[in-house]
Amino acid sequence: AQSVSQHNHHVILSEAASLELGCNYSYGGTVNLFWYVQYPGQHLQLLLKYFSGDPLVKGIKGFEAEFIKSKFSFNLRKPSVQWSDTAEYFCAVMNRDDKIIFGKGTRLHILP
Amino acid sequence: DAGVIQSPRHEVTEMGQEVTLRCKPISGHNSLFWYRQTMMRGLELLIYFNNNVPIDDSGMPEDRFSAKMPNASFSTLKIQPSEPRDSAVYFCASSLAPSYEQYFGPGTRLTVT
Repeated sequence: AQSVSQHNHHVILSEAASLELGCNYSYGGTVNLFWYVQYPGQHLQLLLKYFSGDPLVKGIKGFEAEFIKSKFSFNLRKPSVQWSDTAEYFCAVMNRDDKIIFGKGTRLHILP
Repeated sequence: DAGVIQSPRHEVTEMGQEVTLRCKPISGHNSLFWYRQTMMRGLELLIYFNNNVPIDDSGMPEDRFSAKMPNASFSTLKIQPSEPRDSAVYFCASSLAPSYEQYFGPGTRLTVT
């Protein structure tokens, strides 16, 4: 069965630390890839997306993600996190059959 | 644009009662998705529609759950009868097409006692 794996369920960092959240998927065909963020008490919002082209995608608030096709990965990165980045982050994959699967999410807690 | 609108925002009901959740997608969006979020299971896709037609309902947990989209601007998710294990936040999202980014509504927090 197709799946999306987010390796870290809970990450705690100090402000200014660098961030990398892992996301791997199991689907051999062409995919659209997304990262969504859910701030405490709010609904999900799109951080960034990859459809095609440059595998390094830049999103809002200084986030970026790199699509590595050979590794079936789409890891999220930010060079220097802020307290306001405390949230839950979801990786999502849409395949060509229009089937979308979300990962279980990673809770990020930034210490001030 | 007002974004995706969901109602009610909070619903508390007793076990056995019927619950209806409502969603108005963003105007012009052709795809609509219903999700359920719990601490234990995370975010689960229940069903999605494209051009008002249900495309994938494999996530609907059981026959107690049903969803309709009578027109492009309105959808409902109904639970009948409701059970305590249905307590969750239910999100509706819409997009221009199934493979495009989704815009989520504020969610309905359902508590079944």
